[in-house]
Amino acid sequence: GNSVTQMEGPVTLSEEAFLTINCTYTATGYPSLFWYVQYPGEGLQLLLKATKADDKGSNKGFEATYRKETTSFHLEKGSVQVSDSAVYFCALSDLSSASKIIFGSGTRLSIRP
Amino acid sequence: DTGVSQDPRHKITKRGQNVTFRCDPISEHNRLYWYRQTLGQGPEFLTYFQNEAQLEKSRLLSDRFSAERPKGSFSTLEIQRTEQGDSAMYLCASSPGQGHETQYFGPGTRLLVL
Repeated sequence: GNSVTQMEGPVTLSEEAFLTINCTYTATGYPSLFWYVQYPGEGLQLLLKATKADDKGSNKGFEATYRKETTSFHLEKGSVQVSDSAVYFCALSDLSSASKIIFGSGTRLSIRP
Repeated sequence: DTGVSQDPRHKITKRGQNVTFRCDPISEHNRLYWYRQTLGQGPEFLTYFQNEAQLEKSRLLSDRFSAERPKGSFSTLEIQRTEQGDSAMYLCASSPGQGHETQYFGPGTRLLVL
């Protein structure tokens, strides 16, 4: 079945460091791919998405490119800030099942000042 | 539009009691989803409504769980005879419908079963 595997955390970086959180997926068809973020004490928010191969989603300095050949959707940011500290979830829409979202297990990111 | 809202935000109950949660989706969103999130994990799909019709249920949704969306607007999720293993965050999400795969999540209801 469809699944998402993402880099285990926690990840701790210094402010202004480069960030990569790896995500790979298994799916039939051509699902949309998402990164959701959960800030401390808040609900899930959509960070960015891509709907087809080679699309790049971007938001708040974060980027991820839909790579069908490697079935990956890695999240990157060139210079992280303390305010980026959160849990990040890679996810895909299951087109065979009412577009329910299948999530990875999440990666906790902590940024040191 | 105020987004998806859920009530209550927190619920503490004793094992064996029944609990009911409410979700108000974004207005005019046809699809409504329930997910469960346990500590350290990503959300897992429970069930889905298209308007008032419940079209899919996960095998995670045991017989003690029931969900309704009577008028195609708000939805309720009831858990009967709660067990300690039911302790989790229950998330509701909505989307406009077919062709719009992005789901918008509410803040969740955190359930603790003692």
